[in-house]
Formats: sequence, C-alpha cells, structure tokens
Amino acid sequence: DSGVTQTPKHLITATGQRVTLRCSPRSGDLSVYWYQQSLDQGLQFLIQYYNGEERAKGNILERFSAQQFPDLHSELNLSSLELGDSALYFCASSARTVNEKLFFGSGTQLSVL
Amino acid sequence: ILNVEQSPQSLHVQEGDSTNFTCSFPSSNFYALHWYRWETAKSPKALFVMTLNGDEKKKGRISATLNTKEGYSYLYIKGSQPEDSATYLCAFQTGANNLFFGTGTRLTVIP
Repeated sequence: DSGVTQTPKHLITATGQRVTLRCSPRSGDLSVYWYQQSLDQGLQFLIQYYNGEERAKGNILERFSAQQFPDLHSELNLSSLELGDSALYFCASSARTVNEKLFFGSGTQLSVL
Repeated sequence: ILNVEQSPQSLHVQEGDSTNFTCSFPSSNFYALHWYRWETAKSPKALFVMTLNGDEKKKGRISATLNTKEGYSYLYIKGSQPEDSATYLCAFQTGANNLFFGTGTRLTVIP
C-alpha cells in the first residue's frame, strides 16, 4: 500500500458528461501529480501541484482542470467527456518536488461510453 | 513534451538469466532520472532516483547506472526470477517539477 488513495476505482459515464477524480496523498506529502494512461500509451503527465499551487502543466486538455485543497487532497475534473478520454488516471505524491520518488495511487479507470 | 525512449519494448528471458534495459533521455536540463517497476493490475513503485552523472544504485538483484552527459541509463537484473516479471518504467525529471515517463520495457521471466 503506497499510502496514496484514489477514488473512485472505476467510473463509467457517457460522452458530454463531467466527472471528478479524487486523490489523497501520503501523509506529509506536499506534491501531487496527475497522469493519464491510455491504451498503448505511456504515462502522460497532466499536471502537478505543490502545497496548493499549480507547479507544472503537461499535456492537459482545456476541458480538464485540477486543484489541490488546503488539506492537500487533489481533484481532477474532466468535462465534456469524449470517448478518447477513456483511460486509467493515476495520482502520485511526493514529499517535495525535486528528485523525490513518486508514490502512486491505484488509479481510477474511466470508461466513457 | 520530452522524448524519453526505452528499449527494448518487451523482453522474454529464462529464469536465472541476467538482463538489462536502456532508457534514453535528453542530455540537457537534467534534474533526475527515476526507475519504476509496474506489475500487472498494480500501480508503479519506485526503484531508484538518480541525480548525478555516474550514479549507480543497487537494490537486491536490481541495479542501475546513469550517464547524464550522453543521456542514458541502464537497468540491470541479475539472475531473473518469475517475480521480476513486470513493466519497468524510466522517467526523466527536468526543471524542478516535470517528470516525463517512457513507455516502459515489459519483462517476462519464463520459469
């Protein structure tokens, strides 16, 4: 158990809908990363937060947004969902930002039908 | 988006064989190189984080080396066991925050 909690584990929804994925980092970790893994793709970096502030943006679509709350949990909001958004979404946390190993949650499997 | 390449994409070895994989990354703007082990139906788990050129890390039968000047890292597994079967990911950290993953090397160890 990595100590990173992601909910829900599975989510099935329809195109055009909006969903929220939730991540609780390991106790004491300040940095949260979101990754997307689609079929035949590696882990695609979406966005990173550190202590409530956005620190880095990767390949995140404008339809997606995220935030990190004062209690350090993070949410990834996906809106106007398309079939291609079906993927496994991972959250990971680390103590700080630089040179720290990431601890991954078990992921949320999103299926858009 | 940075290009982190791993080779081979997949590998089958016999139990007891030693093996190694390669991770290639840009040689500029280097902060760290990470290796992760990802078993099927589980989440990736960190093996090593390396920051200095020439770094060597070891954990049991698994070791890794780093060459930041030429932009590559090797992961070695000595005496492969069936439980080593997994996908091995490397990730290149650039700047203070961004961490970009390769697509991984899928290792299957045949008993």
